[in-house]
Amino acid sequence: EPEVTQTPSHQVTQMGQEVILRCVPISNHLYFYWYRQILGQKVEFLVSFYNNEISEKSEIFDDQFSVERPDGSNFTLKIRSTKLEDSAMYFCASTSQGGGELFFGEGSRLTVL
Amino acid sequence: RKEVEQDPGPFNVPEGATVAFNCTYSNSASQSFFWYRQDCRKEPKLLMSVYSSGNEDGRFTAQLNRASQYISLLIRDSKLSDSATYLCVVNTPVGGYGKLTFGQGTILTVHP
Repeated sequence: EPEVTQTPSHQVTQMGQEVILRCVPISNHLYFYWYRQILGQKVEFLVSFYNNEISEKSEIFDDQFSVERPDGSNFTLKIRSTKLEDSAMYFCASTSQGGGELFFGEGSRLTVL
Repeated sequence: RKEVEQDPGPFNVPEGATVAFNCTYSNSASQSFFWYRQDCRKEPKLLMSVYSSGNEDGRFTAQLNRASQYISLLIRDSKLSDSATYLCVVNTPVGGYGKLTFGQGTILTVHP
């Protein structure tokens, strides 16, 4: 069964460091998303990506965040200068049609010290 | 008002019980609705879509009331394996694309 894969599963970093989280969406999917979930809180939308550009982003997705799909396969989330409050589980998701069922990866847990 | 609001619970029920979860959403332009399930420290997974006419999948029944902007999930004959967090998810078209917004989640624990 096709699945969304994410790496790393867990990353620990120092405050102020750059972090790149990687995702390989399901191959025939066209819409890609990043969500995050702070421990004990709800799943929050960060950004959606379609046709090689951001289609929407939330207030959380400020200038410290960026996404790209450099090689048509990997979909990356970069946090330029991490803050303590960026500690969370980051989920990548993809879907074949906008508004359809989202398929999530297992998540990348980011811990900022 | 929150975009998607759920009773966080927790709900603690014995095996075999029937339990119902409620959800309300604020944006009347929302077009599609889902229930996802999330196990502890795992990714959300689709449980079922919610259709206007209501729909059933085995022990699970979902209802939608667009006029009241209300969604429900009924679980009959609860199993231990139903223990999880149930997420109400609403899709709202934004600029031609859909944006899925998640509720806080309702925690269910089924005990022997």
